[in-house]
Amino acid sequence: NAGVTQTPKFQVLKTGQSMTLQCAQDMNHNSMYWYRQDPGMGLRLIYYSASEGTTDKGEVPNGYNVSRLNKREFSLRLESAAPSQTSVYFCASSVPRGVYEQYFGPGTRLTVT
Amino acid sequence: TQLLEQSPQFLSIQEGENLTVYCNSSSVFSSLQWYRQEPGEGPVLLVTVVTGGEVKKLKRLTFQFGDARKDSSLHITAAQTGDTGLYLCAGVQGAQKLVFGQGTRLTINP
Repeated sequence: NAGVTQTPKFQVLKTGQSMTLQCAQDMNHNSMYWYRQDPGMGLRLIYYSASEGTTDKGEVPNGYNVSRLNKREFSLRLESAAPSQTSVYFCASSVPRGVYEQYFGPGTRLTVT
Repeated sequence: TQLLEQSPQFLSIQEGENLTVYCNSSSVFSSLQWYRQEPGEGPVLLVTVVTGGEVKKLKRLTFQFGDARKDSSLHITAAQTGDTGLYLCAGVQGAQKLVFGQGTRLTINP
């Protein structure tokens, strides 16, 4: 099993460009998450999806949209990238009960110039 | 404002020494998790503590959940260079959401 996969691994965008980060999991988990990680800030939740067809905002949702395409896939879209969105983005999945232990992908390092 | 505060943020010690990392909050959590992250990779779950006062051991790592379920600690005995990494604590907040501490970057020098 691959676990959680993310594409691309690296991306450079110019201010105002758009892009979609892709995430897929093969663990049959219902819940999926998008986080961003910045130095000294730990991981901050952008959006999450408790199940196929549902999405909810996290701590820092502004400037992002998400789509839960099916049970396996959860994408994150930046419609008009800004330098403040330069970060490392992690997708995670978990079982939707108990303690919600997270299984993370390898991350996407995004730079917006 | 960080809901979970980790200390220290940076720690550099010699191989063989002991260390403790703290994760503190003014909020009560139903459970608390510890992750380790290596450069260029995603965090990996080490342990989950659920009951106030609970102690869990993972080889040389000892995790404790505070009696009031507001804080936790990670103690490493006889640190090894392989313990180097970013250690993150995370608490379950509300339905299905986790809040993370800012992390402790640990460096073990040979």
